Amino acid sequence: AIQMTQSPSSLSASVGDRVTITCRASQGIGNDLGWYQQKPGKAPKLLIYGASSLESGVPSRFSGRASGTDFTLTISSLQPEDFGSYYCLQDYNYPYTFGQGTKLEIK
Amino acid sequence: EVQLLESGGGLVQPGGSLRLSCEASGFTFSSYAMSWVRQAPGKGLEWVSSISASGVSTYSADSVKGRFTISRDSSRNTLFLQMNNLRAEDTAVYFCARVNSTNQYGPQAPWGQGTLVTVSS
Repeated sequence: AIQMTQSPSSLSASVGDRVTITCRASQGIGNDLGWYQQKPGKAPKLLIYGASSLESGVPSRFSGRASGTDFTLTISSLQPEDFGSYYCLQDYNYPYTFGQGTKLEIK
Repeated sequence: EVQLLESGGGLVQPGGSLRLSCEASGFTFSSYAMSWVRQAPGKGLEWVSSISASGVSTYSADSVKGRFTISRDSSRNTLFLQMNNLRAEDTAVYFCARVNSTNQYGPQAPWGQGTLVTVSS
């Protein structure tokens, strides 16, 4: 199975900061990677698909980039409502695998 | 509006069985692959199982293979997860999600609100 290594596991940042979360795949997955945001007690929500395509309705401060087997999610200017956990998911082949998650706290 | 509504969770003893349902509305259910994803208390997300739009192809995580069976009934717009021989480590919130693409691979969106399964004596 493809392993997804996500970092950092947690981070604390201030409103207005630029934040970057990274996932590395253990083998090539093309651009078949999505980023999900989850607020406590809620279902995950798709932010980015195909490594860099913004899901409809998601603010443009979220962006994704791919470089080989490395993938990044960037929040250009952190907003208070961006707290929560973030996960990457490779949907290249089965079994699908998630990254371990990043818990984002607003300072 | 696309909606997914899970049901069927609850408390079950180790070795017991449970069947989860996910009722879909607001889209052509028979055109989309579907998935189950779970989250143990305080832990991350774990993909469990997916089924193709036709229902012919199914895929499952090694952790549930041979114990869980995914199925669908397009006449009822409903996705199922039959869970047998449940273990304590299966305790989790179970989410259903639509595979948001024209084939059986793709991002998961949207998601249901989840249903809690607790395996304990």
